[in-house]
Amino acid sequence: DQQVKQNSPSLSVQEGRISILNCDYTNSMFDYFLWYKKYPAEGPTFLISISSIKDKNEDGRFTVFLNKSAKHLSLHIVPSQPGDSAVYFCAAAARDNAGNMLTFGGGTRLMVKP
Amino acid sequence: KAGVTQTPRYLIKTRGQQVTLSCSPISGHRSVSWYQQTPGQGLQFLFEYFSETQRNKGNFPGRFSGRQFSNSRSEMNVSTLELGDSALYLCASSLDRAYNTEAFFGQGTRLTVV
Repeated sequence: DQQVKQNSPSLSVQEGRISILNCDYTNSMFDYFLWYKKYPAEGPTFLISISSIKDKNEDGRFTVFLNKSAKHLSLHIVPSQPGDSAVYFCAAAARDNAGNMLTFGGGTRLMVKP
Repeated sequence: KAGVTQTPRYLIKTRGQQVTLSCSPISGHRSVSWYQQTPGQGLQFLFEYFSETQRNKGNFPGRFSGRQFSNSRSEMNVSTLELGDSALYLCASSLDRAYNTEAFFGQGTRLTVV
């Protein structure tokens, strides 16, 4: 039972255009969401996060949108650059969890073409 | 400051053997979590340690165990290795809860079971 799903295994966009990566979740207890980027042979790198009390968080070229009623979040990258090519994971955490436990989606491989 | 350090980076073991992986968190971080990444499975939570105590545990068999030392360094042990245990094992450290702080990942240990 996947509580966090990234339904697009891959996405290809042209340099300079917008990349939109999507993530859906089923557990209504999730109230904090994070996006990580992962290059081959490296560990995931934190990108941006959002709390459920917000519907948008922006950091430079990266913006995360949260739609709680739809249990859906998305990561927008504008403009996309070839160096953004990587696997992107969304992750979620629940307030009722006393410690650190992130539930990850399966990842989306983003390819930005020059 | 130094990041999360995992050793060894690569490991080849034979089915039935046991293995111990090590993780040194970022200085000052007291929470260490372990994740398993297999092709097509995303990252799956193994367990989390905080102040030498296991605070959370994922759905993995008892062959997977861990511990944390007083300096917050953590080890993960897998006994009676199976071919399906071949994966990238990632360690993440956090100040405390992922709810308010992001987890920082190491580069991982690539375990191959033959």
